[in-house]
Amino acid sequence: DTEVTQTPKHLVMGMTNKKSLKCEQHMGHRAMYWYKQKAKKPPELMFVYSYEKLSINESVPSRFSPECPNSSLLNLHLHALQPEDSALYLCASSHSLGSSTGELFFGEGSRLTVL
Amino acid sequence: AQSVTQLDSQVPVFEEAPVELRCNYSSSVSVYLFWYVQYPNQGLQLLLKYLSGSTLVKGINGFEAEFNKSQTSFHLRKPSVHISDTAEYFCAVTFNQAGTALIFGKGTTLSVSS
Repeated sequence: DTEVTQTPKHLVMGMTNKKSLKCEQHMGHRAMYWYKQKAKKPPELMFVYSYEKLSINESVPSRFSPECPNSSLLNLHLHALQPEDSALYLCASSHSLGSSTGELFFGEGSRLTVL
Repeated sequence: AQSVTQLDSQVPVFEEAPVELRCNYSSSVSVYLFWYVQYPNQGLQLLLKYLSGSTLVKGINGFEAEFNKSQTSFHLRKPSVHISDTAEYFCAVTFNQAGTALIFGKGTTLSVSS
């Protein structure tokens, strides 16, 4: 199993809603990532969890709240978002942070629209 | 500072023509280099990677790349492109340091027309 599974694939929410994006991998990877990608732009790193602990937070606004319940799951809780937060949110995993291979495995992404 | 630069934002080519997408990096430590492809409305898929060893790396879909340490480059090539190769291509680098994450270039849009 070499997949990273993200749900939902599409999400539309109002600025007062609370929603969550979910990510799951069963490759035994110990690093998991959230990236934000706007159209025609590269993915921007938001958060990295290493061994279920938050290792990197790239100064993301507090309306985005990550959670890593266990080594296979990664959530991104969303609250009071702004229209400019509309984007493709990509989850990824790797063997470990800064591992000798460095390769990230990406999910298909969750496309978020904030009205 | 460590960075990665994709020199071309858009590359239009005709079907069956060769193509080269350029990527340069800057680093004071050893690097691992990657090319990812993103088709419309999809996630990122690994095309190929350089970790060590042979500097010519072959990937999926007929793509290859050559690591050139002296020129700090990792250009992606394909001898004959297809319409289906139309996509966004990202060069990415991570550094041989614990605790570092992948850094992406700005991307190159490859447009293949008939």
